[in-house]
Amino acid sequence: QQQVKQSPQSLIVQKGGISIINCAYENTAFDYFPWYQQFPGKGPALLIAIRPDVSEKKEGRFTISFNKSAKQFSLHIMDSQPGDSATYFCAASKGSNYQLIWGAGTKLIIKP
Amino acid sequence: EAGVAQSPRYKIIEKRQSVAFWCNPISGHATLYWYQQILGQGPKLLIQFQNNGVVDDSQLPKDRFSAERLKGVDSTLKIQPAKLEDSAVYLCASSPVANYGYTFGSGTRLTVV
Repeated sequence: QQQVKQSPQSLIVQKGGISIINCAYENTAFDYFPWYQQFPGKGPALLIAIRPDVSEKKEGRFTISFNKSAKQFSLHIMDSQPGDSATYFCAASKGSNYQLIWGAGTKLIIKP
Repeated sequence: EAGVAQSPRYKIIEKRQSVAFWCNPISGHATLYWYQQILGQGPKLLIQFQNNGVVDDSQLPKDRFSAERLKGVDSTLKIQPAKLEDSAVYLCASSPVANYGYTFGSGTRLTVV
């Protein structure tokens, strides 16, 4: 029940296309859902996050869609660029101790 | 604002040797985390400190791993003795308070041969 399942494991998208990464969770107590972006040799960096009181959050080309009833959330990258090539992790947490439960990651490659 | 500093960046040791990693969090951040990231996997929390007290160390292999955060600032993570399966990137992160996005360092890549 503590797992966050992420798919796909890897994704190749043409420049200018839409990249979509999906995550699913079981624990309804989760109340914070961030996405992290990690470049090789660097630590993960917070990209965008959402709480379950909203169904969508957009920041520039990045959008999180949240479906509370289905216990799923997804990251959409519009107009994908080669600089977006990285590994993306979804995560979830509950409560005040803020321990994140991480997905396994998606390696995204944007082809020029 | 300076980021989370970690050293060394890379370390290669033989199995059964010991190794230590150092982390300097962002100034003023009360919470500090050590994560282990095995290649191709998401980060796994090893230990979480609030100031200099341990909040969660349930996934720390205490027979070989130890960590401390003296004076609630810098932290060290030690492995003794190392095993082949300890090969991973060790990430340190810090956050100002709970329930807020935290910042990761670039990590220490450990290879055990």
